[in-house]
Amino acid sequence: QKEVEQNSGPLSVPEGAIASLNCTYSDRGSQSFFWYRQYSGKSPELIMFIYSNGDKEDGRFTAQLNKASQYVSLLIRDSQPSDSATYLCAAEWGATNKLIFGTGTLLAVQP
Amino acid sequence: DGGITQSPKYLFRKEGQNVTLSCEQNLNHDAMYWYRQDPGQGLRLIYYSQIVNDFQKGDIAEGYSVSREKKESFPLTVTSAQKNPTAFYLCASSIASSQSDTQYFGPGTRLTVL
Repeated sequence: QKEVEQNSGPLSVPEGAIASLNCTYSDRGSQSFFWYRQYSGKSPELIMFIYSNGDKEDGRFTAQLNKASQYVSLLIRDSQPSDSATYLCAAEWGATNKLIFGTGTLLAVQP
Repeated sequence: DGGITQSPKYLFRKEGQNVTLSCEQNLNHDAMYWYRQDPGQGLRLIYYSQIVNDFQKGDIAEGYSVSREKKESFPLTVTSAQKNPTAFYLCASSIASSQSDTQYFGPGTRLTVL
């Protein structure tokens, strides 16, 4: 069973703090990982993708990948109330172009 | 504007009816996907297509059917055989290159069974 696990939250952080969202995956063959943000009632929008071990930074967002531990994380620096949403982690299943999604972590940024 | 469109935004179905959800993209993407999202759950793959006139079942294909007659279009029919169709339906597309492949989502259709 190929799975992606996320803590459902809610994860509550004060405005300006760093939010840390975590994800583990079961398929060692997964090579690519994606973070999507989903506002309530809306469709997911891509935040970042990462293929290589280590960190990848894009503005206030940093994705971290550790393939040995099968662990992916997303850090959001200087969190804003507008970052409040559900964050979905997805892993590519082998080399199939199919994605396995986690259930998402609800982030609440408190003003 | 390039993007993915889905229609209708809201759809109400009576029990026993088949309904068709539309998905169109003008991104020139080869691959298209249909997902279902239930409250508090992740996205589950219904069907996907990597090329015109070809499609494969996903994890929860029972009670659904698709066609891919044009590169731009990938309609999903929810048949009366789908026992619990109330959900948020999301269409996605991607380039489907051999390297990792980012999927982009349409705005979704919310289906409710009356």
